Amino acid sequence: GQQVMQIPQYQHVQEGEDFTTYCNSSTTLSNIQWYKQRPGGHPVFLIQLVKSGEVKKQKRLTFQFGEAKKNSSLHITATQTTDVGTYFCARGSFKTIFGAGTRLFVKA
Amino acid sequence: NAGVTQTPKFRILKIGQSMTLQCTQDMNHNYMYWYRQDPGMGLKLIYYSVGAGITDKGEVPNGYNVSRSTTEDFPLRLELAAPSQTSVYFCASSYSPQATNEKLFFGSGTQLSVL
Repeated sequence: GQQVMQIPQYQHVQEGEDFTTYCNSSTTLSNIQWYKQRPGGHPVFLIQLVKSGEVKKQKRLTFQFGEAKKNSSLHITATQTTDVGTYFCARGSFKTIFGAGTRLFVKA
Repeated sequence: NAGVTQTPKFRILKIGQSMTLQCTQDMNHNYMYWYRQDPGMGLKLIYYSVGAGITDKGEVPNGYNVSRSTTEDFPLRLELAAPSQTSVYFCASSYSPQATNEKLFFGSGTQLSVL
């Protein structure tokens, strides 16, 4: 129904390598949000995408919203140990539904 | 601004016991939510409120109750604790979903174990 699917579930990278997580929906999304949760912490909002084909950047993070508004991705360039945590995509800004998340491990 | 404050941070319950998880926010947000997060999983919506006196069920409401007597407070009640309710509980708030770039602000969570 309204679920968003995230892949991969886990990703181990060497520091300096790139990382990408993908979010997919079977239905058209009005918006997609991304949150980061550090180990032992709480989710923190990163960004919201609304427009078809939208691309936004935050330093080394690049967020994309698909043309059909059914998928999204988060790409991190040259990962650092501070990037460790779980990245969630979420649909909707009311009764927000979260994906299962992608847990990123970074080896120094 | 303290943001969203949850208490307690940790709690161990015996099966059948009851407890209330407290949540308060000082941002004058209309919308408040309770989520649970099981190990390695995403967040599931338990209950939400769009304003004082108004609450409604989310994805997984069974075994829980809520109330919203003020804008600031949104307590979550477990009446008969069960092992399946072992989880981390997050309270969140937002001003209005219709606002541009609206986002959820989360509390630091309550880790609950039911044994």
